[in-house]
Amino acid sequence: SQELEQSPQSLIVQEGKNLTINCTSSKTLYGLYWYKQKYGEGLIFLMMLQKGGEEKSHEKITAKLDEKKQQSSLHITASQPSHAGIYLCGAGLPGGAQKLVFGQGTRLTINP
Amino acid sequence: NAGVTQTPKFQVLKTGQSMTLQCAQDMNHNSMYWYRQDPGMGLRLIYYSASEGTTDKGEVPNGYNVSRLNKREFSLRLESAAPSQTSVYFCASSRDRNIQYFGAGTRLSVL
Repeated sequence: SQELEQSPQSLIVQEGKNLTINCTSSKTLYGLYWYKQKYGEGLIFLMMLQKGGEEKSHEKITAKLDEKKQQSSLHITASQPSHAGIYLCGAGLPGGAQKLVFGQGTRLTINP
Repeated sequence: NAGVTQTPKFQVLKTGQSMTLQCAQDMNHNSMYWYRQDPGMGLRLIYYSASEGTTDKGEVPNGYNVSRLNKREFSLRLESAAPSQTSVYFCASSRDRNIQYFGAGTRLSVL
């Protein structure tokens, strides 16, 4: 079965610093989705990557999918308090299924 | 634009009680999903419905039942709640194999 491993599990950075969260799959990824969750709230969609080598950016967040489509990274530049939360990666399953499997999440804390 | 709406937001049950979690979406999506989120385990799929009239088991279906009432609504029922079902439950919807959009969650405690 498809499994996603996120690292680190938690991260504390000082405001203004850059950071990277990784998502590694045991199998080829068929669509990789990044979500953000604030404490006590639902998941907010950030970005979707589908092609090997693909890179997308939104404001100060950049997500990349490696050429082999087994690893993705989420990079935040000049972190702000608004970036704090839990980041989850999700992957589509092969065979046309509509289900996603998720990593365990990375808890990001931004210190002023 | 409400998106995905879940009710209730919080619930406390005693072991053995039953309840239904409600979910409705107003985006005309075909597919709907129920997940549970437990500390350190990410989200795990309980059941999903690829289209109106169909439902399928996910990773952790035991102890749950679902009903796809119509295209908008997808409910999750706990017939006899157990402490192991204490969790945060999320409903999501998507247009076929596209991005899933999530509700705000239901926080359930079973005592």
